[in-house]
Formats: sequence, C-alpha cells, structure tokens
Amino acid sequence: GEQVEQRPPHLSVREGDSAVITCTYTDPNSYYFFWYKQEPGASLQLLMKVFSSTEINEGQGFTVLLNKKDKRLSLNLTAAHPGDSAAYFCAVSASSNTNKVVFGTGTRLQVLP
Amino acid sequence: EAAVTQSPRNKVAVTGGKVTLSCNQTNNHNNMYWYRQDTGHGLRLIHYSYGAGSTEKGDIPDGYKASRPSQENFSLILELATPSQTSVYFCASGDTGDGDTQYFGPGTRLLVL
Repeated sequence: GEQVEQRPPHLSVREGDSAVITCTYTDPNSYYFFWYKQEPGASLQLLMKVFSSTEINEGQGFTVLLNKKDKRLSLNLTAAHPGDSAAYFCAVSASSNTNKVVFGTGTRLQVLP
Repeated sequence: EAAVTQSPRNKVAVTGGKVTLSCNQTNNHNNMYWYRQDTGHGLRLIHYSYGAGSTEKGDIPDGYKASRPSQENFSLILELATPSQTSVYFCASGDTGDGDTQYFGPGTRLLVL
C-alpha cells in the first residue's frame, strides 16, 4: 500500500528565513495531497489541499510544490515567523477511488525570533 | 466550516475499565475516522466508517471497537483499557467526493492508569 515519508522530523529556522518540509510517496496513482498544521496542544487544521493536476499552489505565506515524476510533495514557508511554529503533516489520498488517506509522521517546526 | 466535536476532552481511566470516546460531526460527511497520536508515530488509523452502520478496521485496531449508529456519530470503545492506550485520540470526518479531505475534532486526551 501507499507509504509516505516526511522529512525532516524537526526543523529550526530564524524568523524571516524559509523552511522547507518534504514528503515522498510511493503510489503513482495518488490523486489528492494535503498539508495540515497542528499548533501545540491543538487539533490539525487543513492548510491546503492540492490535486494531482496542479504542480504549484500558493497560500498565505507558503507554497506547495508537487513533483509527480519524483513522487514528492513539499511545503515551503517563505519568510517564516514565530506564529508558524507548529507541527506540519502531509497526507496523501492513495487514489481517487478509495477513502484511505495516509499521513506522514510530521515535522516539528520552530521559528526563532 | 466543518464542525467535528469530541467528548470527553480529557479522560482518566483505570486499567481494565471500559472507555467510550464520542465524536459528532455536522458536516453530513459519509466517512469518519478515529486516529491516535503518539510522539514518534504521527497519526495512526484505528477504525473508520463509510456511513451509518459500517465500521472498518484501520491499521491498529487491536484493543478497540467502533460504532457508527448514525451519520453524525462515531464512537471508539476500549472494552478493557490498558496503559498502552494512553494517547491523544482524534476523530475526523470526510467525504469521498471531496478527495476525502479530512476535518479533525479537537482531540481527547486519555490517560489510563
């Protein structure tokens, strides 16, 4: 079945720097991709959902890149600020015909002032 | 906005006791999920459901049962709680037609003594 590997497990950057989190997946038929943010002691909030047809998706202060050839999904936080400090999880929907979403193991991001 | 609620938010149980965690969603989503989150493991799927009356085993179902009596409610039952089941439990709902984008509840912190 689908396997998702997320790197790095921990990341510390200075305020204003960029932070990149990467997930690789194994199922070439994967169709939907998600990034979630989890602040300490809180639940998971959906940051962005991307479809396999779009390679670059921009949000508020971040960009999500999908490389289907390499089966790689990345979250790039541009000009990180302390409010970005949280755990981030990628998730991959194995195919458009199943209900199974596979989560990465998470990246704990710390943005230092 | 998706609305998933969980109760209780915190629970202390004794080893061998029965614990029921409840989840309610007002999104009219077909699919509901129970995960546990532990340090170093990310999110692990325990049980899920495609609709009222259905329950399916996830990746780590041992020691847990689930019940989906209605579209809105999904319960996780620990018949004989053990200390290894101390964790944070998240419920989520989603719809296949939306790429199974999952919306999470606030979580239940369970401590089994």
